[in-house]
Amino acid sequence: QKEVEQNSGPLSVPEGAIASLNCTYSDRGSQSFFWYRQYSGKSPELIMFIYSNGDKEDGRFTAQLNKASQYVSLLIRDSQPSDSATYLCAVRDNQGGKLIFGQGTELSVKP
Amino acid sequence: DADVTQTPRNRITKTGKRIMLECSQTKGHDRMYWYRQDPGLGLRLIYYSFDVKDINKGEISDGYSVSRQAQAKFSLSLESAIPNQTALYFCATSDFDGVNHGYTFGSGTRLTVV
Repeated sequence: QKEVEQNSGPLSVPEGAIASLNCTYSDRGSQSFFWYRQYSGKSPELIMFIYSNGDKEDGRFTAQLNKASQYVSLLIRDSQPSDSATYLCAVRDNQGGKLIFGQGTELSVKP
Repeated sequence: DADVTQTPRNRITKTGKRIMLECSQTKGHDRMYWYRQDPGLGLRLIYYSFDVKDINKGEISDGYSVSRQAQAKFSLSLESAIPNQTALYFCATSDFDGVNHGYTFGSGTRLTVV
């Protein structure tokens, strides 16, 4: 069973700090990685995708990928209370293309 | 109108009843998926379909069935609902090249089985 693992949290950071969310995956052949944000009771929304080793930046968000370590992370700079949500890591299955999700990390940004 | 529409939004049903959750999309995507979400367990794949004639089981398909009536419609059925099927259900779509764009999700159906 291919797995995607995240710390469930909750992760609590003060407003303005950097939030660091981590994810590991078991399928070494995986090529595409996604971060979704999900507010309570709402559907997940895509915030970042990455498929090359290294960093990818989009505004206050940076995704980091290390395929050798099978590790992907999401950094949120200048965290805001509106960033409080559950963040889901997803890995594209190499055999068919469906997404496998981690259990999600709950982030709480305190004013 | 939403790109991916799920109906109903909320449903309470009794144990043993048959229930259908419906999903329709205007994205023109070939691929459609049904996931369920339980607290602390993330999203788990129930069934997926890569085109009208292609239906595949996901990791938790027992107790569920699906129908792909058209490219735009993908329905999930619970033949005989049981309380541990109480969950939030999401339909999602993707194009063939889902590499860069991930999924588009519906708003979800909150199902309670009593």
